[in-house]
Amino acid sequence: GQNIDQPTEMTATEGAIVQINCTYQTSGFNGLFWYQQHAGEAPTFLSYNVLDGLEEKGRFSSFLSRSKGYSYLLLKELQMKDSASYLCAYMDSNYQLIWGAGTKLIIKP
Amino acid sequence: GAVVSQHPSRVICKSGTSVKIECRSLDFQATTMFWYRQFPKQSLMLMATSNEGSKATYEQGVEKDKFLINHASLTLSTLTVTSAHPEDSSFYICSARDLRTGDNSPLHFGNGTRLTVT
Repeated sequence: GQNIDQPTEMTATEGAIVQINCTYQTSGFNGLFWYQQHAGEAPTFLSYNVLDGLEEKGRFSSFLSRSKGYSYLLLKELQMKDSASYLCAYMDSNYQLIWGAGTKLIIKP
Repeated sequence: GAVVSQHPSRVICKSGTSVKIECRSLDFQATTMFWYRQFPKQSLMLMATSNEGSKATYEQGVEKDKFLINHASLTLSTLTVTSAHPEDSSFYICSARDLRTGDNSPLHFGNGTRLTVT
């Protein structure tokens, strides 16, 4: 079945660090994606994990544990422009993306 | 990187009319394109998968006669919302993958079309 979960909303302070978690359950798995979506805009690709561990890309890092069905997106040195929704999605055995509902991240000065 | 272009970005139409949305892959060929719909404060919902040279595959609950999809070439897919009604007002987004980078390559999205039906 399709089961993926992430928090609805999070708040963090400019300059701080925030971790957005995503859990999923699936019998077939071909990787996990994170996308950023600003209000009124289309999603943009942030990261892809298919093996366990941490992938670092500038201020953003993404982690995956396949055995736990768990991923997180870590945002460091938060900037006001990071206020957006963050979508996680896993790719199933048919290479179809199954989307979470998104986490709205609010950055406060 | 792979670029997907979507047009128009915004459209307002009257109830009962039809609206066509175009999606183009600019620097790669896409045998498959994906059409999503997103209502305010909700997640992306896959409507249909557009296949070049064959019929589109629609998700459960999506009316194929209302949302006509034509994948005319390896770089162009169109979605036509026929006899639009106010409840069809939504954000429609197309996407595609550059399979030159593998089956698990990321989806690249067009900029979306904000449809308002009055």
